[in-house]
Amino acid sequence: QKEVEQNSGPLSVPEGAIASLNCTYSDRGSQSFFWYRQYSGKSPELIMSIYSNGDKEDGRFTAQLNKASQYVSLLIRDSQPSDSATYLCAVKSLLYSNSGYALNFGKGTSLLVTP
Amino acid sequence: NAGVTQTPKFQVLKTGQSMTLQCAQDMNHNSMYWYRQDPGMGLRLIYYSASEGTTDKGEVPNGYNVSRLNKREFSLRLESAAPSQTSVYFCASGEVTPTDTQYFGPGTRLTVL
Repeated sequence: QKEVEQNSGPLSVPEGAIASLNCTYSDRGSQSFFWYRQYSGKSPELIMSIYSNGDKEDGRFTAQLNKASQYVSLLIRDSQPSDSATYLCAVKSLLYSNSGYALNFGKGTSLLVTP
Repeated sequence: NAGVTQTPKFQVLKTGQSMTLQCAQDMNHNSMYWYRQDPGMGLRLIYYSASEGTTDKGEVPNGYNVSRLNKREFSLRLESAAPSQTSVYFCASGEVTPTDTQYFGPGTRLTVL
């Protein structure tokens, strides 16, 4: 079983602070990693993708990848109340039938940004 | 450009009834997926279609069937609904390469009484 693990939270941070979300995965062969944001009652929305070790920045979001440690993280700078949502870590893994790849999701971390 | 669309948005069934969830995408993706999302369980893959004319089981296929009608459309059928199938169902499209992402539809909220 290819596992993707996240702390379920809730993670509570004050407005303007940095929120740090973490994810570990078991499939060493995975090549691509994604962060989705999901508001309550809505569908997952892609916010970041990362493929190489190191940091990738996009606006207030920074994704970090360490393949040796099998660890992915998402930093949200200057957190806003509108960032309050569940953040899903997803790892692209080879399907058991070897017919291709699909996303394998963690259970998500709930983030609450308080004014 | 609507992306991924799903119908219906909400559905209530009685145990034993059948229904089909419809999904369509206009992004010219080869691959389509059905996931279910339950509290505390995350998103789990039910079935996928790597390309037109192919379908395959995911992590939780029991109780479901799928049809890849054409490149745009991928339907999920519950032949005899059970309360354990109460869930939110998401369709997604993308590619089965190691790097491409997947894009999700708005979801169908299904309750089986």
